[in-house]
Amino acid sequence: AQKVTQAQTEISVVEKEDVTLDCVYETRDTTYYLFWYKQPPSGELVFLIRRNSFDEQNEISGRYSWNFQKSTSSFNFTITASQVVDSAVYFCALKVWSGANNLFFGTGTRLTVIP
Amino acid sequence: DVKVTQSSRYLVKRTGEKVFLECVQDMDHENMFWYRQDPGLGLRLIYFSYDVKMKEKGDIPEGYSVSREKKERFSLILESASTNQTSMYLCASSSPGTTSYNEQFFGPGTRLTVL
Repeated sequence: AQKVTQAQTEISVVEKEDVTLDCVYETRDTTYYLFWYKQPPSGELVFLIRRNSFDEQNEISGRYSWNFQKSTSSFNFTITASQVVDSAVYFCALKVWSGANNLFFGTGTRLTVIP
Repeated sequence: DVKVTQSSRYLVKRTGEKVFLECVQDMDHENMFWYRQDPGLGLRLIYFSYDVKMKEKGDIPEGYSVSREKKERFSLILESASTNQTSMYLCASSSPGTTSYNEQFFGPGTRLTVL
C-alpha cells in the first residue's frame, strides 16, 4: 500500500524566513515518482516538481529546493526567503509505476507567510 | 497554455438531487481524474478514466458515477446527493505514454454544498 505523510498541518513564518515542509512516503515499489503541488487560495493545484525514485539529486529552482532521501523515505521542500505569495497549501504526492495512474496525496501543509 | 476547466466554482444542491459536475481539458489528454478534497484528508481519488468510455474506480467511488463520452470531457455524477458529499471536487488530466511519469494538471475545483 502507498502512503504519504505530511506531519505539519499548519506552519506560520515571518516574511524572509526560510521554511521546510516535510514529506515522508511509504511504498514497496522500487519505481515510483514523487510530486509537490501548491494550492493557492484560488483553489487550483499547481505542479511544482516531479522526482523519480532513481534520481536522488537534490534540485533548486530559484527560492525553492527539494531534498530527496531514499534512506529516510523523505522528499522535503524548502522555501528560502519566504514571501507572502508563498502562502498556500502544499501537497506532496506519490505515484507508483506498477499501480494505476492516480496520485496518492498527503493531507497537505498550510503555509502562512506573515508580512 | 494547458487548461482544465470545471463547469462551476460553487454549487449548492439539496439532499436527493442529481448533481452533474463537468470537466473539460484542452490538452488532448487520455487520462482524466476526479478527486475530492476534505480538510485533514487531502485529496482522495473517486474515479479515473484512461480513454473514452473507459472508467476505473478510485479509493472512494461509493455514491458517485462518471461518464466519458468524449475525450476532452469527464463528468462526475452524484445520483442522489447527500450532505456527506459536501466537499471540494477537483478534476485533473494527464497525458499517456509514460503515464506514471507525467504530472497531472488540475482544474480550479468546484465547491459543492449539499443542504
